[in-house]
Amino acid sequence: GAGVSQSPSNKVTEKGKDVELRCDPISGHTALYWYRQRLGQGLEFLIYFQGNSAPDKSGLPSDRFSAERTGESVSTLTIQRTQQEDSAVYLCASSPGGGTSGSRAQYFGPGTRLTVT
Amino acid sequence: GNSVTQMEGPVTLSEEAFLTINCTYTATGYPSLFWYVQYPGEGLQLLLKATKADDKGSNKGFEATYRKETTSFHLEKGSVQVSDSAVYFCALGQAGTALIFGKGTTLSVSS
Repeated sequence: GAGVSQSPSNKVTEKGKDVELRCDPISGHTALYWYRQRLGQGLEFLIYFQGNSAPDKSGLPSDRFSAERTGESVSTLTIQRTQQEDSAVYLCASSPGGGTSGSRAQYFGPGTRLTVT
Repeated sequence: GNSVTQMEGPVTLSEEAFLTINCTYTATGYPSLFWYVQYPGEGLQLLLKATKADDKGSNKGFEATYRKETTSFHLEKGSVQVSDSAVYFCALGQAGTALIFGKGTTLSVSS
């Protein structure tokens, strides 16, 4: 089946504008993650959804960032009033989840490259 | 808290050289360990994983052994190819949490 898909692949926006990034996980995967990768850096965890549980938002850098997920399907990451430091590649990943989810690999989408001018 | 430390890059090797990229971790409990690879212009791909102590993950000639006594998961390959040039990320996973990644090691292989 299809892998994780993300849209748009590239987004250029002006400082102060809001942006929405979309992630379609692999069908049947209950866990969904958002990460941020700044140029030359490792991956920074943002938010984690597991089934119908309350999401783990501990990685969101500020209240300008929010994310939603509809059931076990699509997720959107919203960044309000974008700043230049928000420029990065935003990666989405999904995994089968479940009680032993720590042992399950995460499968990544191609990412959305966000540039804030 | 949990963390992953991997060797700083870049690592520059000639084709057919032996590769080691060091990775050590700090964690409570018994995490699973992963290596991901990011080829130029592509997304992250799982390379290999190990879920318990002494497990060896292997794929595409790469290997890594989960060493609990040294809290390490070093990536090795006996003979690298130009096509192995990429950024390699070591990661740690535990139930109910996102993966924790190292900062990545850039490997450049020349012919």
